[in-house]
Amino acid sequence: AQSVAQPEDQVNVAEGNPLTVKCTYSVSGNPYLFWYVQYPNRGLQFLLKYITGDNLVKGSYGFEAEFNKSQTSFHLKKPSALVSDSALYFCAVRASSGGYNKLIFGAGTRLAVHP
Amino acid sequence: NAGVTQTPKFQVLKTGQSMTLQCAQDMNHNSMYWYRQDPGMGLRLIYYSASEGTTDKGEVPNGYNVSRLNKREFSLRLESAAPSQTSVYFCASSEGPRDSNEQFFGPGTRLTVL
Repeated sequence: AQSVAQPEDQVNVAEGNPLTVKCTYSVSGNPYLFWYVQYPNRGLQFLLKYITGDNLVKGSYGFEAEFNKSQTSFHLKKPSALVSDSALYFCAVRASSGGYNKLIFGAGTRLAVHP
Repeated sequence: NAGVTQTPKFQVLKTGQSMTLQCAQDMNHNSMYWYRQDPGMGLRLIYYSASEGTTDKGEVPNGYNVSRLNKREFSLRLESAAPSQTSVYFCASSEGPRDSNEQFFGPGTRLTVL
């Protein structure tokens, strides 16, 4: 079965410190991986994606993610966290089903950045 | 561009009532999707429309119907609402079903069924 796991319900980090939000996946074939962010009472916003090529992907708002095929992981990172980064983060993988590709989402990780 | 818009933003229904959630996109996207978001469960796909004129079931289609009215609009209907359908509903769109492009999300509809 194709799935995405975000092992941490919440991540707490102090402002200015580096942050990591973890994601592992299980999918047949080559994975297409995505990170989205959701601010309170808003829809999801696209951050970045991995399709192919360089394992380190750079995205919006200073975020980056590292694809690791051997560990089937796609962790989201940022060198220096901001209080405004506090939000709900979702990892997603594109899965093929019946010829159409759909996104499978993880349960989400709440990031809290403290001043 | 407004992107993806949804109406209404909030709705309270009684068990057994019906309603239609509306979604429209102005990005000329081919594919559209309906998700529900429940605490601790991420987003689950209800129905999707790979292109105008086609619709298919997602992960949790029971109790819902959809209509792809035209390329811009994709509506979700609850024929007889149940408390288990209390959730936040998101509509999304993407350029196509087989590409690697990201999905764009609307602001959501918060539905409570009493």
